[in-house]
Amino acid sequence: DADVTQTPRNRITKTGKRIMLECSQTKGHDRMYWYRQDPGLGLRLIYYSFDVKDINKGEISDGYSVSRQAQAKFSLSLESAIPNQTALYFCATSDESGTDYGYTFGSGTRLTVV
Amino acid sequence: KNEVEQSPQNLTAQEGEFITINCSYSVGISALHWLQQHPGGGIVSLFMLSSGKKKHGRLIATINIQEKHSSLHITASHPRDSAVYICALGSNYQLIWGAGTKLIIKP
Repeated sequence: DADVTQTPRNRITKTGKRIMLECSQTKGHDRMYWYRQDPGLGLRLIYYSFDVKDINKGEISDGYSVSRQAQAKFSLSLESAIPNQTALYFCATSDESGTDYGYTFGSGTRLTVV
Repeated sequence: KNEVEQSPQNLTAQEGEFITINCSYSVGISALHWLQQHPGGGIVSLFMLSSGKKKHGRLIATINIQEKHSSLHITASHPRDSAVYICALGSNYQLIWGAGTKLIIKP
């Protein structure tokens, strides 16, 4: 099993619908992140969480919400999806103490809002 | 001026060539990350550096904190190394992403 699992891998949804992207990890890391990537661009941080009770907005949190259900689970919701939220979404984890690699990414969720 | 700049933006080389990708930055950092994004979109962390040099297989990463510069080297390049390589600056809670270097290794 992957260290960081995202579901679904692909999703097409209609404008105005609520959608949830889920992320679970087996790394045992406290820190979890949601990023968004648009074509040809780098990743932008949506939300991050340092532990279950610590959730923070990133640079592009408008239109999104998150829930940290447990150390291992961090979900991203689009309350009312709009077409410009069409993007590739990544969940990631990191170890506060630092490792050789730093971050572990999920495989991504490709979301299309029509 | 961007906080992190990579060069080159695109690089095409023949199999077996020694590859160097450069990253320069202008801010203080806690660590510098090198990541690889595959054509299918998946992202893999290659290195996290705060000083010196690290090596994993055919990949070598170096950083010079005083000069605010890092390099990623690939020895004996192979077509499966074709990907986008990204330099990212680590702060307390986020990564500041470089634009990436698209590498194509031809057989």
